[in-house]
Amino acid sequence: EPEVTQTPSHQVTQMGQEVILRCVPISNHLYFYWYRQILGQKVEFLVSFYNNEISEKSEIFDDQFSVERPDGSNFTLKIRSTKLEDSAMYFCASRVGLAGGSTDTQYFGPGTRLTVL
Amino acid sequence: RKEVEQDPGPFNVPEGATVAFNCTYSNSASQSFFWYRQDCRKEPKLLMSVYSSGNEDGRFTAQLNRASQYISLLIRDSKLSDSATYLCVVFYNQGGKLIFGQGTELSVKP
Repeated sequence: EPEVTQTPSHQVTQMGQEVILRCVPISNHLYFYWYRQILGQKVEFLVSFYNNEISEKSEIFDDQFSVERPDGSNFTLKIRSTKLEDSAMYFCASRVGLAGGSTDTQYFGPGTRLTVL
Repeated sequence: RKEVEQDPGPFNVPEGATVAFNCTYSNSASQSFFWYRQDCRKEPKLLMSVYSSGNEDGRFTAQLNRASQYISLLIRDSKLSDSATYLCVVFYNQGGKLIFGQGTELSVKP
């Protein structure tokens, strides 16, 4: 069964450093997402991406964040200058998004646990 | 008012019990509804979609009441393996983002 993959599984970084979290969405999916979950809190939407551009972003997704689809398979989230409060689990998700059928379902990757020291 | 609100939990039930989860959402423009399950420190996994007509998948039954903006999940004959956090999730077509409730933790004991 196809699945979303993410690397690394755990990233430890110093405050102020740049990090890039990587995701490989399911191959025939058209919509890509990043969510985050701070320990003990709910899952929060960060950004959605379609047709090589951001379609929506949340208030959390400020100028420190950026997303990119550098090739036909990878989808990355970059945090330019990490803060302590960026420590969280970051989940990538994708969905088919084609007309007709059950296309609203999003499938999540296993997540990258980011720890900012 | 929170966009998606769930019973705070946790629920501690014996094996074989029936347990019900409740959820309300605030935006009447919400398009699709789901229950996801999340095991500790893992990704959310789709449990089932929720339809207005109600739908059942084995021991799991989901209901949606659009007029009341209310979603429910019923688990019958609960198993130890059902122990997890259950997430009520709403999908908005604009941008396609999912909005999650805070989750209700379920612990099934022998």
